[in-house]
Amino acid sequence: SQQGEEDPQALSIQEGENATMNCSYKTSINNLQWYRQNSGRGLVHLILIRSNEREKHSGRLRVTLDTSKKSSSLLITASRAADTASYFCATPAGNKLTFGGGTRVLVKP
Amino acid sequence: EPEVTQTPSHQVTQMGQEVILRCVPISNHLYFYWYRQILGQKVEFLVSFYNNEISEKSEIFDDQFSVERPDGSNFTLKIRSTKLEDSAMYFCASSEVPGTDTQYFGPGTRLTVL
Repeated sequence: SQQGEEDPQALSIQEGENATMNCSYKTSINNLQWYRQNSGRGLVHLILIRSNEREKHSGRLRVTLDTSKKSSSLLITASRAADTASYFCATPAGNKLTFGGGTRVLVKP
Repeated sequence: EPEVTQTPSHQVTQMGQEVILRCVPISNHLYFYWYRQILGQKVEFLVSFYNNEISEKSEIFDDQFSVERPDGSNFTLKIRSTKLEDSAMYFCASSEVPGTDTQYFGPGTRLTVL
């Protein structure tokens, strides 16, 4: 089964606008993580939300988690051109993280 | 801020050749991982390593793959006889606690098999 599927697959916005992307997963989790990947580069950890948390903030990032719907959302407020990247949710299982396909975000100046 | 480093950044090899990808995890981390990302596809787990042994591996991690921590700082992934389909970005990661918590990723090694 697919774990951690992002929606939409791609998103294009103007600088200053907010970007919202969603992640759905299938099995029970104890946390969910969001990572960013700039083109051709490594994965940068953004935020981890635990299963007993509903919302978490970090700078311009806001993450929500709804365990009843098995879904999470990542909101980037007041986007900047530097936010252009792919964003992945990842769920832990055993010793590994399982990544979704990612949302490609393009922030136009 | 401590970070995971990987060398080389890009490796080109001929099919059938052996390659070794190198990683230096964050110094106080005890858990190490390799993932790969074929161009345009998801990041896939390969293997996790703790206390000098493999703790979990995926179906991708067959007999052609091996991992080693040859000294106190390096963590390596060896592909014994590369295939065209091994072309991918390979990421090393490390964590303080087992995989359920934050993993810190290196910048990756792009492997191109010709």
